[in-house]
Amino acid sequence: QVQLLQSGAEVQEPGASVKVSCKASGYTFSSYAINWVRQAPGLGLEWMGWISGYNGNTNYAQKFQGRVTMTTDASTTTVYLELRSLKSDDTAVYYCARELRYAAFDYWGQGTLVTVSS
Amino acid sequence: QSALTQPASMSGSPGQSITISCTGTSSDIGAYNYVSWYQQYPGTAPKLIIYSVDSRPSGVSARFSGSKSGNVASLTISGLQAEDEADYFCASYTGSSTRYRLFGGGTKLTVL
Repeated sequence: QVQLLQSGAEVQEPGASVKVSCKASGYTFSSYAINWVRQAPGLGLEWMGWISGYNGNTNYAQKFQGRVTMTTDASTTTVYLELRSLKSDDTAVYYCARELRYAAFDYWGQGTLVTVSS
Repeated sequence: QSALTQPASMSGSPGQSITISCTGTSSDIGAYNYVSWYQQYPGTAPKLIIYSVDSRPSGVSARFSGSKSGNVASLTISGLQAEDEADYFCASYTGSSTRYRLFGGGTKLTVL
């Protein structure tokens, strides 16, 4: 069965960086892209970007360009999200999600809470 | 890129039908048949219930249906049940030069 297993909760200070992992299993890793979506407390979903499981190509939302990096490790079928220069409003649950069709995310990770606080 | 527009909240009684709208532009919803809908319960990850405007993933109840007209997509839930009380989000592909994905702000559905 398809599973996306994310790393555990993080607490970071403003200005620091965070790296969240998402280990995929149960499907052919190279056949699907992984997207990252975040949700601030009590708010809606926000798309951050996309990385191809086939060749590692990326596409980042304009809001995060210059501050985000998504990478893959095909040998371990793991996708990584790194967000730098953290601010308090980056506090959110970060989800990885497999993309079935454009904007159709059929499997989601359990979410990783990132708290930015001094 | 602005988020898609959804009503913040809606309510209905058991057995009724309810339709949630999602308004975009001619660059996203109006341009592509790549609209999806998600159901989310508090503290859990979203669940895909409709994709490509009107397709249902395996295992999703037939009480959920999707449609689109121009720049507006809609999710209809028929035969409303208590378990349908949740947050619902729409999403669309934007294509063009950006190839972004956009979410709506979400609709809190209350079953009275």
